[in-house]
This record gives sequence, structure tokens and C-alpha cells, in this order.
Amino acid sequence: AQTVTQSQPEMSVQEAETVTLSCTYDTSESDYYLFWYKQPPSRQMILVIRQEAYKQQNATENRFSVNFQKAAKSFSLKISDSQLGDAAMYFCAYRRGPSSNTGKLIFGQGTTLQVKP
Amino acid sequence: GAGVSQSPRYKVAKRGQDVALRCDPISGHVSLFWYQQALGQGPEFLTYFQNEAQLDKSGLPSDRFFAERPEGSVSTLKIQRTQQEDSAVYLCASSLLTAGPNEQFFGPGTRLTVL
Repeated sequence: AQTVTQSQPEMSVQEAETVTLSCTYDTSESDYYLFWYKQPPSRQMILVIRQEAYKQQNATENRFSVNFQKAAKSFSLKISDSQLGDAAMYFCAYRRGPSSNTGKLIFGQGTTLQVKP
Repeated sequence: GAGVSQSPRYKVAKRGQDVALRCDPISGHVSLFWYQQALGQGPEFLTYFQNEAQLDKSGLPSDRFFAERPEGSVSTLKIQRTQQEDSAVYLCASSLLTAGPNEQFFGPGTRLTVL
């Protein structure tokens, strides 16, 4: 079975600084998808960034980028120029690849990010 | 356009009562998912529909949990004889398709408290 681990329950960053959230996962599959989701205090989960395992290039979305290390099964999220609105709980999630008949997400435990003004 | 909506947003039930939680997915989305999120934890998968077909219910914790999506749009998650351990936020998500890295769009959740 696949598992996702986020070892940092809480992180803090100063506004305008850079922070990296860690995520590791365990799988025996070679093709899969990885996601970072953000859940603000209002609780509506939104997608931040996604990565397809077969792509070697790290995904980027404006101030958000990932460091995908397939061999190490590591998928960290870097937030540059942190803003107050980035404060939220961040979840790393895994989804099996095209051979699977289910699109269910397997989530990590989450990291609460605090942004200090 | 309208996102995923869920109702009620909050539900308080006495232990032993039955509850029904509703999810309205984004129009045209084929896939619908239910997750359970305990306080301070990541969501855990409950069940998955492709149109009206329930293709995966491996995450349902017991036979007290039942989900349906009879016309391939609105879905209802029913919990019978609620127990205190059922207290959680129940999240619904929908996606256009299952294949590929399709984004799942989440609703605001229903917070269930069982007294």
C-alpha cells in the first residue's frame, strides 16, 4: 500500500522569505501523480501544484515550485516570497497512475504553515 | 462558475441517529469522491463514483456507511446509527475525469459532531 509522510507538523516563515515543506512517500509503482493541496482555515481545499512522476522536470506555479526526487521518493514544496495569504495547512498527496481504476488521493498528515508579518 | 457544494455545513447528531450528507459536484464532472477528515489530520478516502457507478468503496469504515449517486450528479453519504468516532469533517470532491493528473475540486465539507 502507498503511504505519504509529512514530518513537519508546523512551520513558520517570515513574510517575503522562502520556506520548504517536506514530503516523502512510499510506493512500488513507477507511474503516479503527486500533488500539494492548501487548506486555509475556511477548510476548502485547493490545488497548489501537481507533478507527474514520468516527468523529470520539476513543476512550478508562480511562487510555488517542487523538488521531485523520484529515487529518494521525496516531493518537497518551496514557497518563495511568502505572503500572509499563504498561511494554511498544506497536504502532500499521492495518486496512482493511469493503470489504476480509482483516482483516490492518499494524503499526508499535513503541515501547518504560519506566516509572520 | 459554481464549485462543489455540500450541505449541511454543520450537523450535530445524537449517538444512534442516522444522518445524510449531500454533495453537489461541479456540473459535468464524471468522478466524485468522499473523504473523511479527523481534526488536525489529512483526509482519508471513503468512496469513489464514476457517474452513477460506485467503483471503489474500500475506505468505508463499516457497513453503517453508505453512499449513492443515483443519477450521476448529486451524491449522498449516509451514516446509520452514528457513533462518537464518526465525528469528523466529511469532504466531497469532483473531477472532470479520473484518468490523468486531473485536479480534484473540493467542497467546503460537512462538520459532523456526534454527541
